[in-house]
Amino acid sequence: EDQVTQSPEALRLQEGESSSLNCSYTVSGLRGLFWYRQDPGKGPEFLFTLYSAGEEKEKERLKATLTKKESFLHITAPKPEDSATYLCAVQGGDPSGGGADGLTFGKGTHLIIQP
Amino acid sequence: DAMVIQNPRYQVTQFGKPVTLSCSQTLNHNVMYWYQQKSSQAPKLLFHYYDKDFNNEADTPDNFQSRRPNTSFCFLDIRSPGLGDAAMYLCATSRVRQGGTEAFFGQGTRLTVV
Repeated sequence: EDQVTQSPEALRLQEGESSSLNCSYTVSGLRGLFWYRQDPGKGPEFLFTLYSAGEEKEKERLKATLTKKESFLHITAPKPEDSATYLCAVQGGDPSGGGADGLTFGKGTHLIIQP
Repeated sequence: DAMVIQNPRYQVTQFGKPVTLSCSQTLNHNVMYWYQQKSSQAPKLLFHYYDKDFNNEADTPDNFQSRRPNTSFCFLDIRSPGLGDAAMYLCATSRVRQGGTEAFFGQGTRLTVV
């Protein structure tokens, strides 16, 4: 059974104070690891897909990295508008295979950026 | 813009009264998913349709059912809602391909059971 654990559960930062969010995962095989942003009362918004260890993706102040056991979401010089819950999810199975299997999510990290 | 649309955004239903939530997509994706998310919890997959094929998760209660009349629409039916079914219900879509496939979510329907 695929499992995802995110830490910390909550993080409060000052504007401009860089930090990292952690996602540890257990899968039999990794087809993809995904990061989403979720604002209160809304659906998750897709950010990144990572497929294999060593891969990195960047978007504005966010950078996602992947190892064989965990992923990090680095936030550089965050702004108040970066405040949200960040969800990590995995899709397990044969990395070279396809299929419609759903994602297994972690509980998320609730990030607050104070001005 | 291509998107996933859920209606209504907020639904209040009575204990035991059947309720239907709807989802439509303009992405032309072949998979549609329904997730349940309770407060401060991870989204939990209920079931999905791959084209016309229905796939139920093993631990999804029989009280929850789904219909997909065509590629664009999918419905979540809760036959007899209980207080424990109050949650955010999220519809998502994806296009099956080799390797990992990201899902795109709608804005969700917040269900309240009174």
